[in-house]
Amino acid sequence: GIQVEQSPPDLILQEGANSTLRCNFSDSVNNLQWFHQNPWGQLINLFYIPSGTKQNGRLSATTVATERYSLLYISSSQTTDSGVYFCAVGYQKVTFGIGTKLQVIP
Amino acid sequence: DAMVIQNPRYQVTQFGKPVTLSCSQTLNHNVMYWYQQKSSQAPKLLFHYYDKDFNNEADTPDNFQSRRPNTSFCFLDIRSPGLGDAAMYLCATSSMTGGEQPQHFGDGTRLSIL
Repeated sequence: GIQVEQSPPDLILQEGANSTLRCNFSDSVNNLQWFHQNPWGQLINLFYIPSGTKQNGRLSATTVATERYSLLYISSSQTTDSGVYFCAVGYQKVTFGIGTKLQVIP
Repeated sequence: DAMVIQNPRYQVTQFGKPVTLSCSQTLNHNVMYWYQQKSSQAPKLLFHYYDKDFNNEADTPDNFQSRRPNTSFCFLDIRSPGLGDAAMYLCATSSMTGGEQPQHFGDGTRLSIL
């Protein structure tokens, strides 16, 4: 099956800092999503982005499907951004990466 | 608001005692998924329904079964829970009718085994 790798596995940021999270995948995909799992376990869909660039407030994402990677940008981080960020790929059979655990400290 | 609802939020059962987790959706999505997530791990797909078609993952234990009586409801049955089945169980939906197809997740059911 398709392999999904995320980096870095852990990240600690000072509030207000910017960060870039990366997702590499082993095969061509027509469906890529970024999720945020908050400390209470809720999974929130941030972006559906099989290709191109999207922005939503302080978050943006870019997927370069031909090179098999996607990036999630977080600008001006806030403590509420803490949690785990997952990349997930696949159509019907959706495979998750292991996630990036982000901690934003005041 | 349209959403994915999982009940109960927390479930405690005894070793070997059958347990059923439920999921309902008001999004009218044709695909429903069940994931298992253990502590500090990624969600792992157990199975999914595309309409009434059931798709089981090859490594999903036989102990796990599912039912989807209609579009809105889906159930996860664990026939004889073992200690290793303690986890968060997440239900998700998506629409495979064209266009963007993001998954929408419920808040999960955290299962404990005594």
